[in-house]
Amino acid sequence: AQSVTQLDSQVPVFEEAPVELRCNYSSSVSVYLFWYVQYPNQGLQLLLKYLSGSTLVKGINGFEAEFNKSQTSFHLRKPSVHISDTAEYFCAVRGISNFGNEKLTFGTGTRLTIIP
Amino acid sequence: DAGVTQSPTHLIKTRGQQVTLRCSPKSGHDTVSWYQQALGQGPQFIFQYYEEEERQRGNFPDRFSGHQFPNYSSELNVNALLLGDSALYLCASSLGSGGDDFGPGTRLTVL
Repeated sequence: AQSVTQLDSQVPVFEEAPVELRCNYSSSVSVYLFWYVQYPNQGLQLLLKYLSGSTLVKGINGFEAEFNKSQTSFHLRKPSVHISDTAEYFCAVRGISNFGNEKLTFGTGTRLTIIP
Repeated sequence: DAGVTQSPTHLIKTRGQQVTLRCSPKSGHDTVSWYQQALGQGPQFIFQYYEEEERQRGNFPDRFSGHQFPNYSSELNVNALLLGDSALYLCASSLGSGGDDFGPGTRLTVL
């Protein structure tokens, strides 16, 4: 089984400032890692994913995340945020198995609020 | 290329009623998963369908059931609705091990 902890439920950031949203996970097997964004009254949109290879992954809208296996973390970063980045961000983990796509396990989310 | 679509967008039911939610996966995707997202929470896995069979199930009671059709579309059925079933129900489709594509969700309100 897997679990995900998003350490900050709310993060206020001034416009054009950098931001880091923290995510830690636990799993007894190897995992794939994801960040999703959810705008108000909408579904989830995939920001980026780590499947294998380079531990630094780049996603859409200028976001990037770094997989740290020793610290079981997958923190999301953006060097300069915009008003349009205001949304809920979810970290998710998927255990790797031989039986096809395992379920996604989500954290409780981090609400990012950009202050003009 | 249409993404994942869900219907209806919103639904209001009363306790004890039954509801059916529908999902059409992204073109080319063969696996459909359903998630429940309560207000202020992350999505919780309900179950997953592949080749018209339930392949995995989360910690949800038998009141929650589903189906997948030969064209890969899927239905989620909830019987004997409870107030606590009020949530956003998300459908996700996938092919392979990459990230799932999510639909816009169905907002279910149980009165």
